[in-house]
Amino acid sequence: QAVVTQEPSLTVSPGGTVTLTCGSSTGTVTSGHWPYWFQQKPGQAPRTLIYDTSNRNSWTPARFSGSLLGGRAALTLSGAQPEDAADYYCLLSYSGSRVFGGGTKLTVL
Amino acid sequence: EVQLVESGGGLVQPGGSLRLSCAVSGFTFRSSWMNWFRQPPGKGLEWVANIKEDTNEKYYVDSVKGRFTISGDNAKNSLYLQMNSLRGEDTAVYYCATWAHWGQGTLVTVSS
Repeated sequence: QAVVTQEPSLTVSPGGTVTLTCGSSTGTVTSGHWPYWFQQKPGQAPRTLIYDTSNRNSWTPARFSGSLLGGRAALTLSGAQPEDAADYYCLLSYSGSRVFGGGTKLTVL
Repeated sequence: EVQLVESGGGLVQPGGSLRLSCAVSGFTFRSSWMNWFRQPPGKGLEWVANIKEDTNEKYYVDSVKGRFTISGDNAKNSLYLQMNSLRGEDTAVYYCATWAHWGQGTLVTVSS
């Protein structure tokens, strides 16, 4: 089974920009992995932010954007807000199987 | 409004069985992927299984193959996860989800 890797933790200043990345042990992440990004705050269920690499749901703030960057999937937060402090998980698809990354704990400080 | 409500969690002994249910409202899932995810206490998310009713496709994470079965009932607009031969490492909050919407989860504890 593939291993999906994320930065364990990142810190961003309020109003700043940060990029979270998601890599695959099998090689370059492509749109064919259908990358998803999820946000989870303490005590809450996750919610889907980005699907299929770069598509936002209707509730996803425009300051979040998804892309492919340097062979990895990426989630960029531009203009961080205090309420963006959370755990962020990526998910990649491998021919029917799906694998989560270990998550990135984002601190806004 | 799309809503997913899980039920059926609880305490079960190792080797036991549980059946989780997910009541879906606000859309008909026959042509959509439906997933079960889980999250052990204090740990990250894990995809468990998914199903697409109209093409009869089902997939499972390796650790549950042969023990868990995902199914759906279109008439009841419900998703199920039959879990047999449960182990301590199956202890987690189990979430029912589409790719966009998540339920609030139900806790499964496997312990003697």
